[in-house]
Amino acid sequence: QKEVEQNSGPLSVPEGAIASLNCTYSDRGSQSFFWYRQYSGKSPELIMSIYSNGDKEDGRFTAQLNKASQYVSLLIRDSQPSDSATYLCAVIGGSYIPTFGRGTSLIVHP
Amino acid sequence: KAGVTQTPRYLIKTRGQQVTLSCSPISGHRSVSWYQQTPGQGLQFLFEYFSETQRNKGNFPGRFSGRQFSNSRSEMNVSTLELGDSALYLCVSTPGAEGTEAFFGQGTRLTVV
Repeated sequence: QKEVEQNSGPLSVPEGAIASLNCTYSDRGSQSFFWYRQYSGKSPELIMSIYSNGDKEDGRFTAQLNKASQYVSLLIRDSQPSDSATYLCAVIGGSYIPTFGRGTSLIVHP
Repeated sequence: KAGVTQTPRYLIKTRGQQVTLSCSPISGHRSVSWYQQTPGQGLQFLFEYFSETQRNKGNFPGRFSGRQFSNSRSEMNVSTLELGDSALYLCVSTPGAEGTEAFFGQGTRLTVV
């Protein structure tokens, strides 16, 4: 059973702080890793993808991948109240279909 | 480039009825996966269609079925609706190969009364 684990939270951070979201996965054959943001009642929106070990930065977002330890993380710098949402980690392996974690709820308070 | 289109956006059905949901993937994408999302269970995988064939299947009862057409558009059908089928149904579009990004449709909110 391929699993993707996330802390459900909520993770509460003050405005302007760094939010750190973590995800572990069980399938060592996984090749593609994604972070989605989902606002309440809305569909998930792709915010980051990463395919190789290391860091990938896009604006205020940085994704980090460590395949040896089977974890992927998302850092959000200068967190804003508008970042308050549920963040879903997704992994694609040999089956070519995404497996999702249950999401981490992030609350950024002013 | 058009995104993933799901129709309808909202549905209200009565127990025992059946429902059909539609998903049009991104142009050129050949894989469509369907997920059920509920507050308590998160995203649950229903099935995936690739080139008109069901390639992967989750652990849902036979009341849930799907198909894919030659233009990659996919439909999902739920028969004999139960109250517990109330959920957000999401489809995901991918090319169907490695190293590719997956994009969600807007979802269909199904309410069974």
